[in-house]
Amino acid sequence: NAGVMQNPRHLVRRRGQEARLRCSPMKGHSHVYWYRQLPEEGLKFMVYLQKENIIDESGMPKERFSAEFPKEGPSILRIQQVVRGDSAAYFCASSRTSGLEGTQYFGPGTRLLVL
Amino acid sequence: GENVEQHPSTLSVQEGDSAVIKCTYSDSASNYFPWYKQELGKRPQLIIDIRSNVGEKKDQRIAVTLNKTAKHFSLHITETQPEDSAVYFCAPIKAAGNKLTFGGGTRVLVKP
Repeated sequence: NAGVMQNPRHLVRRRGQEARLRCSPMKGHSHVYWYRQLPEEGLKFMVYLQKENIIDESGMPKERFSAEFPKEGPSILRIQQVVRGDSAAYFCASSRTSGLEGTQYFGPGTRLLVL
Repeated sequence: GENVEQHPSTLSVQEGDSAVIKCTYSDSASNYFPWYKQELGKRPQLIIDIRSNVGEKKDQRIAVTLNKTAKHFSLHITETQPEDSAVYFCAPIKAAGNKLTFGGGTRVLVKP
């Protein structure tokens, strides 16, 4: 049973370009969460999605960042016009359900470097 | 929102000794208390969790204890080994939500 998959694992972008990060949840999981980890810091929640719905985006920056989880295919975190401060590790996690039984399992992360 | 603090921020122990990390939280509605281990350059991995109707849970060398009245829970690692060296995060969660709020992390170094 494959775990949470993320690609690419490493992504280099120049300032002003777009970054698209993909996350495929574990089989049977319909809840996806994105977290950002700056160097030497803890993980910060960004957004929580279920299929075709954004449930909680309270951690998403208001501009340049968007997320989706379509009916078919992976969840995508999109960062437009990247800046150096966007350099971080982006982890997604998935769970089977929400609430107390919704244990989250993390993917390997995408390390974004903005030059 | 939830305010989560971990202590200590770094912990150095001799191989074979015990390590204890404490996590305090502010939201009394929190009902699920996981601990994640993150090795350098790797993903966070769930190592143990506890729910609010239980005071203690043990899994081999790892245990978690919960004090809901005082709003803190602790990770205990006994007979530490070099492979226990990592950063450990607590992430208490409210019953009605799924947003994990992570503590700042505790860097554990086990010296052989």
